[in-house]
Formats: sequence, C-alpha cells, structure tokens
Amino acid sequence: DTEVTQTPKHLVMGMTNKKSLKCEQHMGHRAMYWYKQKAKKPPELMFVYSYEKLSINESVPSRFSPECPNSSLLNLHLHALQPEDSALYLCASSQSGGAVSYEQYFGPGTRLTVT
Amino acid sequence: GQSLEQPSEVTAVEGAIVQINCTYQTSGFYGLSWYQQHDGGAPTFLSYNALDGLEETGRFSSFLSRSDSYGYLLLQELQMKDSASYFCAVRERGQAGTALIFGKGTTLSVSS
Repeated sequence: DTEVTQTPKHLVMGMTNKKSLKCEQHMGHRAMYWYKQKAKKPPELMFVYSYEKLSINESVPSRFSPECPNSSLLNLHLHALQPEDSALYLCASSQSGGAVSYEQYFGPGTRLTVT
Repeated sequence: GQSLEQPSEVTAVEGAIVQINCTYQTSGFYGLSWYQQHDGGAPTFLSYNALDGLEETGRFSSFLSRSDSYGYLLLQELQMKDSASYFCAVRERGQAGTALIFGKGTTLSVSS
C-alpha cells in the first residue's frame, strides 16, 4: 500500500464550528506532515511529526491543533477558523523520521471552506 | 532565509522538450527536489539531486549545479498528461527544524 488517504475530501464549516481532518498511511513511514495550499500557490508546511512526536510547528495559529494518535494516523483539529483559512489541506508522509525528507508522499487533500 | 525562483508559466506542444529552471538561495543546502501537481490533485515526487549532475528517470531528468545554486527539470517527449504545475523544493534548516520549502511553481501547458 503506497497511499496516503485523507478524509473528508471536502469540508464546509462555520467560524464557530469544531471539526477534524484525518490522514492515514500504512507504509510504515515514521514522519508525517500537514501542509496548507492556497489556489495557484505552493504547499506551505504547518506541522511535522517525527516518530509520533511534534517536531516542527511553523508558527501556526492555535486554532489549528495537530494530533498523532499512532504511527499511521494524523489528525488536524480545527476550531474557530477564519474565512482566510479556506484552502486545500494536504497530509504527507516520508519514510525516515530522523529529518524532514526530500521525498514525501502526499494525500489527495481536504478542500476546506470556512463560511 | 531561503528563496526559490522558477518561471510561472511554460507552454509547449506534444512531443517537444521543455526545461524548467530553478534558482535557489538557502542558508544551508541539503538537495533539490521536484514535484508534479495536476489541477485538483496531490503533489507527486519526481526526483531529487543532492550532488551536481544529471539524474534521469524515464522521460524526466533533473540537473543540479551547486556552485551556481541552480537546477532544472527536463521533460522530453511531452504528452498532454504532462500539463501540470511543477515545483522545485529545497530542504532548509530553520529555527523549528528542517523543512521542505517549495518554489512558487511553474504551470506547464502542453498542447496538441
């Protein structure tokens, strides 16, 4: 299995809602990532988990809260988001947990709209 | 800090060869990667160069010159399905750790 899966594919939420994005991989990868991508822009790194521990938080607002329940799962909890947070949220994984890898496997993303 | 420069758009016809350039400025260099992303799809890893020279993978090749802080992705025998965005990316060590930083992307349009 060489796939990273993400649910849901699309999400519309109000600014007072709480929702979660889910990501799963069964490749035995030890690093997992959350990226945010706006239209016609490159992916921007949000968080990195290495061996199930948060290793990088790129100064992301606290309304985004990551969680890594085990080595195959990665969640992103969303609360009190703003309309400007509307974007494609991508999950990725890579084999090595020691350092951010140049070869990352991306999921299809969750397209989030905040109303 | 870091910056990566690549052309915003490139157009070509089927069967042609196209080169997408990437110049970079980083405080510490760990290699140059290339990713492809179709509209509405996920980025897909294409290649990685840590050392100078050419890496070939089928119709795609990637080149790196560390002394010039420059690399390129070469796509040969272009097909319509190659129409996509192409990102160069570098690993950079920042305050929070090592991260993969993407260039702004080059949109390749292949016509028949």
